[in-house]
Amino acid sequence: SQQGEEDPQALSIQEGENATMNCSYKTSINNLQWYRQNSGRGLVHLILIRSNEREKHSGRLRVTLDTSKKSSSLLITASRAADTASYFCAWGPSGSARQLTFGSGTQLTVLP
Amino acid sequence: EPEVTQTPSHQVTQMGQEVILRCVPISNHLYFYWYRQILGQKVEFLVSFYNNEISEKSEIFDDQFSVERPDGSNFTLKIRSTKLEDSAMYFCASSDAGGGRSLAFFGQGTRLTVV
Repeated sequence: SQQGEEDPQALSIQEGENATMNCSYKTSINNLQWYRQNSGRGLVHLILIRSNEREKHSGRLRVTLDTSKKSSSLLITASRAADTASYFCAWGPSGSARQLTFGSGTQLTVLP
Repeated sequence: EPEVTQTPSHQVTQMGQEVILRCVPISNHLYFYWYRQILGQKVEFLVSFYNNEISEKSEIFDDQFSVERPDGSNFTLKIRSTKLEDSAMYFCASSDAGGGRSLAFFGQGTRLTVV
C-alpha cells in the first residue's frame, strides 16, 4: 500500500505551545506537502518540501523531511486557537507524474 | 490568490440518480484531479487528468465514474448511478505540474449525500 500514517491521530495542546505532527510514507517521492483542513471544509496547502531538501520554514511552520526514514514532521510554533484543524501530509510518488497520496491526518485542537 | 471553484457546495440525490459535480480549475494549470473524503476518513485519490485524457485512476474510479473537460475551463465528475456509499465530500484540485512537484490547489468541495 502507498498509504502512509500520521501520528498522533489527535493532539490537544494549550495556546502558545508548540505542536509537532509526524508523517510516514512508503514509496520514493518527488516532494511532500502539508495541507490543513478546517472541519467540513476544503484543503488549504501550507508548504511543499522537495525530496532534496531537509528543512523548510514558512512563518510559524517548520517542516522537516528525512527521505532515508521516509518521514516528515510539521512543527507549528506558538500555537493559536485558530490553528485548530486537521493536518494532512501528501506526497507525489516518484515515477508517477500524476497523483498525490494523502496520509491519515492529525486532528489538532488548540485550547485557549 | 487564484482559486479552484466547485459547484454545487451541497448536493442531495436519490440512489440510482446521476450527478455531475463541477469544477473550474486555476486557468494556467495543466493537471486536474478529483479526490473524495468520506466523513471522518482520509482523502482518497480518484482520478487525474492531463492533456484532455485520464492519466491515472484509482480502484475507486470504476465504470460508474467519468470525467470531462467540456469547454477548456470546466472540469466535471459524473457519477452515473449513485450508491449510498458514494456519499462523501468530493474535492477538485489543479496544479501546474504533476507528481506533487508543485502545490495542488483544492476547491472547497461538494458535499454529496445519497439517500
